[in-house]
Amino acid sequence: DTGVSQDPRHKITKRGQNVTFRCDPISEHNRLYWYRQTLGQGPEFLTYFQNEAQLEKSRLLSDRFSAERPKGSFSTLEIQRTEQGDSAMYLCASSLGGEQFFGPGTRLTVL
Amino acid sequence: DAKTTQPTSMDCAEGRAANLPCNHSTISGNEYVYWYRQIHSQGPQYIIHGLKNNETNEMASLIITEDRKSSTLILPHATLRDTAVYYCIVRPGDHNRGGSNYKLTFGKGTLLTVNP
Repeated sequence: DTGVSQDPRHKITKRGQNVTFRCDPISEHNRLYWYRQTLGQGPEFLTYFQNEAQLEKSRLLSDRFSAERPKGSFSTLEIQRTEQGDSAMYLCASSLGGEQFFGPGTRLTVL
Repeated sequence: DAKTTQPTSMDCAEGRAANLPCNHSTISGNEYVYWYRQIHSQGPQYIIHGLKNNETNEMASLIITEDRKSSTLILPHATLRDTAVYYCIVRPGDHNRGGSNYKLTFGKGTLLTVNP
């Protein structure tokens, strides 16, 4: 049983650098979500795909953030010109409907 | 914003039942109650959900009051591995259209600590 996987698990970068995270959802799950979680807070919704279509983006997703899901399978989240405030856990989840299954997250530290 | 209110933290003795309350007084008729938990440094894990009837699965039971304004998640025999942050979330069912219906809006949850 392969769940949702995310790569890398940890990323340390310097302010101003670009970073890209990958999420591989559970096979045949048509919905894919990205969330961000900072210390002591619950996850916050960033964006949502149904198949390859990006259907909703949170106001948290500034112009420096972009997400793609080519061919409706894996997804990437890119952050350009990283800032220290971008330091957080980035979580990916997938679903067919109802419950969402989360990956282990990518922890980003911006120095 | 989260539509639920939960205590910040709770303690429970190992082997005893853990009862986690949640208030959702503004819940709409088409909204379900979902529970997730997050063990330290892991992604959230789905536990259970319900609309108005009580639900039980291999992990937990969900008791929803008749007016649907509150609910309780019950872990019947808590173990040390149940120590986690538990999130109560309300969201519309999947028969509703529109992307905003599918996202989960998390609050801060309840930190449940199971003590030996």
